[in-house]
Amino acid sequence: EVQLVETGGGLVQPGRSLKLSCVASGFTFKNYWMSWTRQAPGKGLEWVASITNSGGYTYYPDSVKGRFTISRDNAQNTLYLQMNSLRSEDTAAYYCVHSSVFDYWGQGVMVTVSS
Amino acid sequence: DIQMTQSPSFLSASVGDRVTINCKASQNINNYLNWYQQKLGEPPKLLIYNTNNLQTGIPSRFSGSGSGTDYTLTITSLQPEDVATYFCLQHSSRPLTFGSGTKLEIK
Repeated sequence: EVQLVETGGGLVQPGRSLKLSCVASGFTFKNYWMSWTRQAPGKGLEWVASITNSGGYTYYPDSVKGRFTISRDNAQNTLYLQMNSLRSEDTAAYYCVHSSVFDYWGQGVMVTVSS
Repeated sequence: DIQMTQSPSFLSASVGDRVTINCKASQNINNYLNWYQQKLGEPPKLLIYNTNNLQTGIPSRFSGSGSGTDYTLTITSLQPEDVATYFCLQHSSRPLTFGSGTKLEIK
């Protein structure tokens, strides 16, 4: 059974940084692309970042490019999202997502950017 | 960027009804269209991938169809547990984009 467990969320001031982690189990992590998506409270979904299975290529929408960095440690079955220069509009639940087909999602972790 | 226009935004139907939800892409997405169900306080759950493939464990009353720019999720014989918000996702090209959601309620 695919399991994705996100940690690292919390309250952070605008302009500061936060790093999310996602520990994966139930599948061969190194074989799959992984992604992050987010959902602002009461709003729709937004794709945030994707990374190839080897970690050699990463992809971002313009809204986070240059501020967020997705990475992975295949030895530790862990996906990361480093978020810098956070803004109030980054406030959302962040989900770790399995594969390029976006089939399995973690439970999500809340990030609140506020002074 | 590909815009996904989802309709309706709200839907009220009776148990046993046939329900359809639509997503229209601003350009051809070559059947790279997923449908998700999200219940309150939970993450999205994949129902249908690549237009018409039923995800493992999903009841057969859910089905998907479409091509080009127009895609449809159909729920035949609506059940009380289907109350949720439904989203589409195009993963044909980056940036990946979601529909704005359809909130489904039981009458």
